[in-house]
Amino acid sequence: AQKVTQAQTEISVVEKEDVTLDCVYETRDTTYYLFWYKQPPSGELVFLIRRNSFDEQNEISGRYSWNFQKSTSSFNFTITASQVVDSAVYFCALRGEWETSGSRLTFGEGTQLTVNP
Amino acid sequence: EAQVTQNPRYLITVTGKKLTVTCSQNMNHEYMSWYRQDPGLGLRQIYYSMNVEVTDKGDVPEGYKVSRKEKRNFPLILESPSPNQTSLYFCASSLLTVGRFSTDTQYFGPGTRLTVL
Repeated sequence: AQKVTQAQTEISVVEKEDVTLDCVYETRDTTYYLFWYKQPPSGELVFLIRRNSFDEQNEISGRYSWNFQKSTSSFNFTITASQVVDSAVYFCALRGEWETSGSRLTFGEGTQLTVNP
Repeated sequence: EAQVTQNPRYLITVTGKKLTVTCSQNMNHEYMSWYRQDPGLGLRQIYYSMNVEVTDKGDVPEGYKVSRKEKRNFPLILESPSPNQTSLYFCASSLLTVGRFSTDTQYFGPGTRLTVL
């Protein structure tokens, strides 16, 4: 069985602070894919990033960065210099090998991030 | 613009009254899927389809039906809705590639908020 845990239910920060959202996953698959999605107050789900299990390179995109560590089964997401527009629910998701899980995404429960002015 | 559309966006109905939520994508994606989002449970897959006329159950299929008669459309049917189907529903689509270099990131529609009284 696959599982994604986002232990932080809610995080509140003041604008310009850095914030890290934690994601820990469980899978027995050798090949798997990790994702982060953003759900702003308007409700849609916005794709942020995809990471393959065989590529442990960390990634930076503007104020966003992702730290993938297979040794600890973690795929953490950091927002640098947070802004009010970053306020949203953030979901971490996992897709395993096709043979075991097809294209099903297993989602964590989400982290509500509130950035206060 | 590449997108997944859902209709209606909001629906209030009564127990037992059949309803259909439509989903359409313009990206020529083979794979389409339905999820429901409930507080504290994250997103859970209802049904998915790997191509026209090919559908299969996800994690929570009870009370739902789907069909895939055309590649671009994947409607979700509730034959006899019940209050426990009150939820936020998302349709998603992706390319369907199998293997180590799979490129099947799922892109989500805007969501349909359903209330069953």
